[in-house]
Amino acid sequence: KAGVTQTPRYLIKTRGQQVTLSCSPISGHRSVSWYQQTPGQGLQFLFEYFSETQRNKGNFPGRFSGRQFSNSRSEMNVSTLELGDSALYLCASSLRQGDGYTFGSGTRLTVV
Amino acid sequence: GIQVEQSPPDLILQEGANSTLRCNFSDSVNNLQWFHQNPWGQLINLFYIPSGTKQNGRLSATTVATERYSLLYISSSQTTDSGVYFCAVEEGSTSYGKLTFGQGTILTVHP
Repeated sequence: KAGVTQTPRYLIKTRGQQVTLSCSPISGHRSVSWYQQTPGQGLQFLFEYFSETQRNKGNFPGRFSGRQFSNSRSEMNVSTLELGDSALYLCASSLRQGDGYTFGSGTRLTVV
Repeated sequence: GIQVEQSPPDLILQEGANSTLRCNFSDSVNNLQWFHQNPWGQLINLFYIPSGTKQNGRLSATTVATERYSLLYISSSQTTDSGVYFCAVEEGSTSYGKLTFGQGTILTVHP
């Protein structure tokens, strides 16, 4: 069974640009969560989607947004990139709450 | 929000040694998972263990939910066990998809 797939694996962007990251969950999983990992802040929750609805959101500015499609694939978008947005972005999927989460390999974003 | 503390922050072992990693959390949880982050950044799920004890080969974990802690045991460590180990918890029923992570334990196993 295929795992959680994130694309692209690596990305280099310039300050002020925007970026879109993609996450395909495990087949049958309808919950997709996004996390940002930085050396200073560790792993922080961005948001969660279930059946195309955002159910939960972390403490990030409005430049960070996401969406989920009817096939449960999710995208996150960061607009007006800042140097501090350089991070590893991870997504996770789950069958249902309380079932545990499986993570993808992540997208490493570098903003220059 | 819930606080998650892991100890020790760093651990250096010789191959073959045993180790215990600890995770304390400040409130009751629906879910607790242990992850190993590989050098490429992927979080590998080791255990889903909101309570009780589980074993998988050389690894085992115990969560005592009433006392709000979990332990990860690694026996006969190998160099491939090196990496960062994270404990993550999910709070109550409205914390959809939100895992709160500890700061991790960096494990280095020398040959």
